[in-house]
Amino acid sequence: GDSVTQMEGPVTLSEEAFLTINCTYTATGYPSLFWYVQYPGEGLQLLLKATKADDKGSNKGFEATYRKETTSFHLEKGSVQVSDSAVYFCALTINQGGKLIFGQGTELSVKP
Amino acid sequence: GAVVSQHPSRVICKSGTSVKIECRSLDFQATTMFWYRQFPKKSLMLMATSNEGSKATYEQGVEKDKFLINHASLTLSTLTVTSAHPEDSSFYICSARAGTGTGEQFFGPGTRLTVL
Repeated sequence: GDSVTQMEGPVTLSEEAFLTINCTYTATGYPSLFWYVQYPGEGLQLLLKATKADDKGSNKGFEATYRKETTSFHLEKGSVQVSDSAVYFCALTINQGGKLIFGQGTELSVKP
Repeated sequence: GAVVSQHPSRVICKSGTSVKIECRSLDFQATTMFWYRQFPKKSLMLMATSNEGSKATYEQGVEKDKFLINHASLTLSTLTVTSAHPEDSSFYICSARAGTGTGEQFFGPGTRLTVL
């Protein structure tokens, strides 16, 4: 079945460090891919998305490229801030706006 | 973005009792609402999809008689955990989508249920 696998956390970085959170997927069709972020005490928020191969989603300095050949959608940011501390979820849907399948989440902690 | 609220944010109940969790879309009409369950250090698992005015569609392995879902209006869906047991303790999250098919899901802040 369809699934999403993320690197395990927690990930601890110093402010201004480079961030990569790996995400790979298995899907029978042509999924749309998403990154959601959950700040402490809040609901999930859509961070970025990509709907077809080679698309790059970007928002707030975060980027992820839909790589069909490696079935990956790794999240990157060049310089993290303390305010980026949160849990990040990679997800896919086969039908856009339909059922979301989530990875297990990766906790990021950024220290000043 | 659109706002989805959940109430209560935290509930503690005794084993055998029933608990109702509300999910509201505050500034848009939600044609579809989704209910997820999140275990510690685990991903969100979809429990059911509810469309306004019709019966919910449950995912495989989710007991529909235990987790009652009602989507009576375009701004409110409720999840009732009936005869709760300690193994039902979890974090329950709802999301809401306006329109059909291609709409983004907006998530509520979640409800922490603890069954003693």
